[in-house]
Amino acid sequence: DAKTTQPNSMESNEEEPVHLPCNHSTISGTDYIHWYRQLPSQGPEYVIHGLTSNVNNRMASLAIAEDRKSSTLILHRATLRDAAVYYCILWNAGGTSYGKLTFGQGTILTVHP
Amino acid sequence: EAGVTQSPTHLIKTRGQQATLRCSPISGHTSVYWYQQALGLGLQFLLWYDEGEERNRGNFPPRFSGRQFPNYSSELNVNALELEDSALYLCASSLEVLINYGYTFGSGTRLTVV
Repeated sequence: DAKTTQPNSMESNEEEPVHLPCNHSTISGTDYIHWYRQLPSQGPEYVIHGLTSNVNNRMASLAIAEDRKSSTLILHRATLRDAAVYYCILWNAGGTSYGKLTFGQGTILTVHP
Repeated sequence: EAGVTQSPTHLIKTRGQQATLRCSPISGHTSVYWYQQALGLGLQFLLWYDEGEERNRGNFPPRFSGRQFPNYSSELNVNALELEDSALYLCASSLEVLINYGYTFGSGTRLTVV
């Protein structure tokens, strides 16, 4: 499985934008970029995913670099509820990875009031 | 719409016993996934069931097994429990495999082996 690198932790202030980076220099052309977050004492929550183009949904935006070797999850206005561990995951439809998301250590986001 | 439901929320077992954990997916979702989240080890993929069949399996011993029923609900069985099996067991479901959708996770079953 192609690997991702994320900072261990980041901090933000409430109502400010947050940019969470993810490096994936060994990404293949058919790897999808998935983002999940996990709030304390809860199961992970799907945030967004994409393949090549930037994606937007009600929760966040995903900006994918032109060479796809990195991506950024953008929370437009952080709230206290956004404090969580954020996971950047590469998923490929082929081979032994089918149906399996491999979670790394993620980025712990702290949001200050 | 009801989310993914797991039962029980907490389970305490003695070493050597068997544990059975249950998962009901979101209505219409045919795929069910099981993950283990042990303290300090992160989320580890256990099993994937789709249409009643085991489709993929993580690096876990055979005493971890499961099944999916015709209504797409699923059971995870852990036999011969060991202390290190203490963890949060998470179930997720999806409409189709990950190309157009993400997983929806439940809140988990906290298994404690004493």
